[in-house]
Amino acid sequence: AQSVSQHNHHVILSEAASLELGCNYSYGGTVNLFWYVQYPGQHLQLLLKYFSGDPLVKGIKGFEAEFIKSKFSFNLRKPSVQWSDTAEYFCAVNAYTSGTYKYIFGTGTRLKVLA
Amino acid sequence: SQTIHQWPATLVQPVGSPLSLECTVEGTSNPNLYWYRQAAGRGLQLLFYSVGIGQISSEVPQNLSASRPQDRQFILSSKKLLLSDSGFYLCAWSVAHKDSPLHFGNGTRLTVT
Repeated sequence: AQSVSQHNHHVILSEAASLELGCNYSYGGTVNLFWYVQYPGQHLQLLLKYFSGDPLVKGIKGFEAEFIKSKFSFNLRKPSVQWSDTAEYFCAVNAYTSGTYKYIFGTGTRLKVLA
Repeated sequence: SQTIHQWPATLVQPVGSPLSLECTVEGTSNPNLYWYRQAAGRGLQLLFYSVGIGQISSEVPQNLSASRPQDRQFILSSKKLLLSDSGFYLCAWSVAHKDSPLHFGNGTRLTVT
């Protein structure tokens, strides 16, 4: 079965620190990968996505992620975090199975940025 | 533009009572529809998905069921709620294409007492 692992459950950083959140997936076929963000009190929003081509994808608000196929990873990065990046981040894989696309999410990483 | 509506926003129900959460999508036709449950530290658990009217796939056996009576309407139900059904329920839709991301509703906070 498909699965997504996010190993960092809680991360605390100071403003201007660099961020890397890990994401590994388990699926033998072609996958599409996503990062979603949930700011406090808001609904889930798409941060960035990877389908094909350049394995380094750029999203909104200065975030980027790199797809490394050999490692089954899709880590999220940001060179310099801001207080407003405090949120919960979810990695997801979209796998074609049983005739449709199923979106499987990781357990999420809560990021707290200290001003 | 497409929008997704989910209601109610919060719900408190006694154990053993029935449940009906509704989700509707506007601005698109024949969407894939999904119900997720979000629990702290457990991420988003896929409960049901539907690729068309009357077509429901269940991901985990449990006390809940789903129905899709119309193309853009997705309903999450239970005949008798359990305490363990408490949680945050999210409806989402996507276009049936690999490039399509999921679009989420605002969620329903269900508390079973």
